[in-house]
Amino acid sequence: EAGVTQFPSHSVIEKGQTVTLRCDPISGHDNLYWYRRVMGKEIKFLLHFVKESKQDESGMPNNRFLAERTGGTYSTLKVQPAELEDSGVYFCASSQGGGVGEKLFFGSGTQLSVL
Amino acid sequence: QKEVEQNSGPLSVPEGAIASLNCTYSDRVSQSFFWYRQYSGKSPELIMSIYSNGDKEDGRFTAQLNKASQYVSLLIRDSQPSDSATYLCAVKVRDTGRRALTFGSGTRLQVQP
Repeated sequence: EAGVTQFPSHSVIEKGQTVTLRCDPISGHDNLYWYRRVMGKEIKFLLHFVKESKQDESGMPNNRFLAERTGGTYSTLKVQPAELEDSGVYFCASSQGGGVGEKLFFGSGTQLSVL
Repeated sequence: QKEVEQNSGPLSVPEGAIASLNCTYSDRVSQSFFWYRQYSGKSPELIMSIYSNGDKEDGRFTAQLNKASQYVSLLIRDSQPSDSATYLCAVKVRDTGRRALTFGSGTRLQVQP
């Protein structure tokens, strides 16, 4: 069974440009999460989808970030326009079901560098 | 004060020894506790979860939870060089509206052959 896959693995862009990150969750997982880790900091929550609906987007830093999950399958996270402080590793995670025992499976992340 | 605190390390132990990793959390309504292992450049991998006070064992790993002290730990017995990685503590707060995990910054473990 394929795990959570993310594309691209690395992206280097200039300040002001647009970047779109993609996440393919494990097949059948309704829950999809985006997290990010900026340099020297801990991994922080960005948002949570249940199928195609945004369940919680309290972690999104500002309106330059737009996440979508059309059809409840893969998800994209677009940053427009990118700023220097957006550099970091963006992780996607998925899970099946919820409750106390919900277990998240993470992708290997997209390393974003904004120059 | 950080919500989840871990010593960044590195924690260095000899092969075959017990590695003890510690984590404290600030939110008393925290409900679920997880330990993830992350090799450099790789995805975080769930290795243990614990929800009730006490110990939970899985192979060489034991998670310990003390909610009164707001403390969770991970013991790795018979440490191997392949255990060298960053160990992330994550906490989920009991809030029906939110399922986000709050992570510590991780402890880097080095197992010396």
